[in-house]
Amino acid sequence: QVQLQESGPGLVKPSQTLSLTCTVSGGSLSPGSYFWTWIRQPAGKGLEWIGHIFNTGSGTYNPSLKGRISISGDTSKNQFSLTLDSVTAADTAVYYCASQWLADGLSTWGPGTVVIVSS
Amino acid sequence: DIVLTQSPDSLAVSLGQRAAIKCKSSQTILHSSNNKNYLAWFQHKPGQAPKLLIYRASARESGVPDRFSGSGSGTEFTLTINNLQAEDVAVYYCQQYYSPPHSFGQGTKVELK
Repeated sequence: QVQLQESGPGLVKPSQTLSLTCTVSGGSLSPGSYFWTWIRQPAGKGLEWIGHIFNTGSGTYNPSLKGRISISGDTSKNQFSLTLDSVTAADTAVYYCASQWLADGLSTWGPGTVVIVSS
Repeated sequence: DIVLTQSPDSLAVSLGQRAAIKCKSSQTILHSSNNKNYLAWFQHKPGQAPKLLIYRASARESGVPDRFSGSGSGTEFTLTINNLQAEDVAVYYCQQYYSPPHSFGQGTKVELK
């Protein structure tokens, strides 16, 4: 049973870089046929798909994040990571990592981590 | 980008009754290679991670009660909750994973009447 856990700073200053890590347990980041995904939810709003990597390949990102984003995988640590540059208050949200096997939907989620962008 | 529009935004249902939530896509999410619709439904309760209920439009995730069912194809989909229970009070989202960005609908809040 794969489990996911997000980690990272809960407070980031405006214009700085947000970095989060998702640790995979009970399974392996590679090999496989998984989409390793990041999603966020600002307070009082809906879910927003941020992006994913397929296995540990290159990332696919939401164009709304305008080139500020990168997702990568580290098979040696069984982790995948999110970096978001030049953050503003609009990036304040609960950030979730999740996994999806091929076309079977995002079946496994981390509990989520709150990130606040504030000086 | 594909836009998903859910209706209604909220609904109040009595215990034991049926709730139906619609999700309309701005373009087809039917994959021609395998005739599968790349649409999922999630249940989201406060303070918890979203929970996958339905994938490929109508396949129920393991462990999900059979009162939850998904239907539809192409651009129009429905999540039906039969015999609504108190624990079904939540926000429900549809999501397409046919084409990135894998967008979500705006959510539908289900409450008890």
